[in-house]
Amino acid sequence: NAGVMQNPRHLVRRRGQEARLRCSPMKGHSHVYWYRQLPEEGLKFMVYLQKENIIDESGMPKERFSAEFPKEGPSILRIQQVVRGDSAAYFCASIGTDTQYFGPGTRLTVL
Amino acid sequence: AQRVTQPEKLLSVFKGAPVELKCNYSYSGSPELFWYVQYSRQRLQLLLRHISRESIKGFTADLNKGETSFHLKKPFAQEEDSAMYYCALVTGFQKLVFGTGTRLLVSP
Repeated sequence: NAGVMQNPRHLVRRRGQEARLRCSPMKGHSHVYWYRQLPEEGLKFMVYLQKENIIDESGMPKERFSAEFPKEGPSILRIQQVVRGDSAAYFCASIGTDTQYFGPGTRLTVL
Repeated sequence: AQRVTQPEKLLSVFKGAPVELKCNYSYSGSPELFWYVQYSRQRLQLLLRHISRESIKGFTADLNKGETSFHLKKPFAQEEDSAMYYCALVTGFQKLVFGTGTRLLVSP
C-alpha cells in the first residue's frame, strides 16, 4: 500500500493562472480531506469529500476554490486565478476507521 | 470556538533530558485529541491519540479536562525525536483542528 499520493509535489504558477492539485487516497478509502498550511501556521481544514459528494466545505474560500472527488480517479483541488496569498502547502488525508493518513503535500508557489 | 494552542514554536533540549510539548485546547464538546509528528522530509503521521492511552516511542500524553490540556511528554529525549509536532483536535465529520506546531530539536 503506497499510502496517500499527491501530485505534483511542487507547483509554480503565475498570478491569474489555474492550479490543479491531485490526491489519491489509500487503497480502500473513499473519503478525503484537504487542508492548507500557510507559512508559520498550522494546517487548516478546507473540505471533506466522499466519492461524488462534498460532505463539508465549510473551510473553503468562497471564491476561486473548488474540489471534487469523482467516482473514478483522484480527488482534485482546483484554484482559479491564483493570487500570491494562495502560496501554501496543501495536504490531503484519507480516513480509515477513524484515523487520517496524510499525503506528502503539494507546495504551491504563486509568482 | 474550537482552537488548539501550542505556545512554543521551538523547544531545544539535550539528549537524555525530559521533554514536554505543551498543548491546550478549547472545545465545547467532549474532546478527542491527537499528536501528529512530521520528521524531516517525511509526511505527517499519527503519533498517539488520547483514547488509546498508549505510549509510542516513549511518548505519552494525558488529557486533562480541568486544564484543557494534552501535553506530550517523554522522560529521556533522543536525537531521533527531533521533528515537528502538531497537536490536533477532532471536530465534526472527523475534521482536525491543528495547533501551529512545535519544533523539537534534540542536541547530542
